[in-house]
Amino acid sequence: AQSVTQLDSHVSVSEGTPVLLRCNYSSSYSPSLFWYVQHPNKGLQLLLKYTSAATLVKGINGFEAEFKKSETSFHLTKPSAHMSDAAEYFCVVTINAGGTSYGKLTFGQGTILTVHP
Amino acid sequence: DTGVSQDPRHKITKRGQNVTFRCDPISEHNRLYWYRQTLGQGPEFLTYFQNEAQLEKSRLLSDRFSAERPKGSFSTLEIQRTEQGDSAMYLCASSVGQGESYEQFFGPGTRLTVL
Repeated sequence: AQSVTQLDSHVSVSEGTPVLLRCNYSSSYSPSLFWYVQHPNKGLQLLLKYTSAATLVKGINGFEAEFKKSETSFHLTKPSAHMSDAAEYFCVVTINAGGTSYGKLTFGQGTILTVHP
Repeated sequence: DTGVSQDPRHKITKRGQNVTFRCDPISEHNRLYWYRQTLGQGPEFLTYFQNEAQLEKSRLLSDRFSAERPKGSFSTLEIQRTEQGDSAMYLCASSVGQGESYEQFFGPGTRLTVL
């Protein structure tokens, strides 16, 4: 079984300050982990992914995430928030067994990021 | 625009009616997925296809739900005898093959409202 817990349902930051969105996962197998972003009235877009290579993963728009197996965490960070970052963010896990992805994505409940001017 | 299209974008229906949604994946993608997203929640997996074969179905997919991908290209999701609890956004995604580096590309979704 696999699951994801996003520790904050809402995060509010000021423009230019750092962003931290927290995610813990549970997986019986070696996981692949993703962060997706959903802007209002737009489809889900992949920000970044971890698939057993480097533990520090860089994504689009200046976002990064670090896979920490000992803490079962995959927190998303950005050094400086921009107004356009305001959206809902989903942490996602899937099983990665022997290089085969079984396809089923398990999503967290989402974190709504608000960016104030 | 990810290249995955869904039709219709919005559907309003009365309880008890049947509805059908269509998903057109990115042309070279052999995997196609359906998810459901209710208000305030993350998407939940419903089912997926590899080519025309339906390989996994969630327990969320009751016997009122059926999905097909007859020629391994587009897919349809049908809900029979709709209930108010079926109101949600239905998302389709596609990916190419299997392996560690696959990425699922999502369509814009079909928002279903059951009155």
